[in-house]
Amino acid sequence: KQEVTQIPAALSVPEGENLVLNCSFTDSAIYNLQWFRQDPGKGLTSLLLIQSSQREQTSGRLNASLDKSSGRSTLYIAASQPGDSATYLCAVRGGTASKLTFGTGTRLQVTL
Amino acid sequence: DAGVIQSPRHEVTEMGQEVTLRCKPISGHDYLFWYRQTMMRGLELLIYFNNNVPIDDSGMPEDRFSAKMPNASFSTLKIQPSEPRDSAVYFCASNRGGSYNEQFFGPGTRLTVL
Repeated sequence: KQEVTQIPAALSVPEGENLVLNCSFTDSAIYNLQWFRQDPGKGLTSLLLIQSSQREQTSGRLNASLDKSSGRSTLYIAASQPGDSATYLCAVRGGTASKLTFGTGTRLQVTL
Repeated sequence: DAGVIQSPRHEVTEMGQEVTLRCKPISGHDYLFWYRQTMMRGLELLIYFNNNVPIDDSGMPEDRFSAKMPNASFSTLKIQPSEPRDSAVYFCASNRGGSYNEQFFGPGTRLTVL
């Protein structure tokens, strides 16, 4: 059974700092991995989808990397801003027709 | 596209009442998912459909929960009878099949059962 872990559970950084969020999964036979953010009281917003054949994917200040063989992904946020404060979740998919398995998330706070 | 649409956004009901949550997936998406999120248990997948057919309902907690998808643009999640422990935020999500199956979530329905 696939298990997804995100460490740390919470993180506080000053504005402007670059940061890395970690996601690890137990079964390396994944099809793709998706990063989401969730603001308090809101739904999940998709940030990046990275296919198993890709090593990284970029969108603006966000960069997601994937090392399938070691069961790890990182989400790099450059020049953090207070508006980046949210919970970040990663989720892995085992096949084209399968469901996502979610991590428990990292709660990020970017302070002024 | 308007994204995944859910209604109602908030629902407050009394124990024992029937609750129906509604979802309209993104047009062209042939997979639809229902999730429940609580502080204690995090995000849980309840059931998902492919081309309107339920594929995996192993996450549905009890027989009190049922879900239907009568057509490609509409799904319901029903709880009958509702109990206080059903209080949670219920999300609907959808994605295309195939290789680029990025999943998109609706805004959720916050359910409170008194």
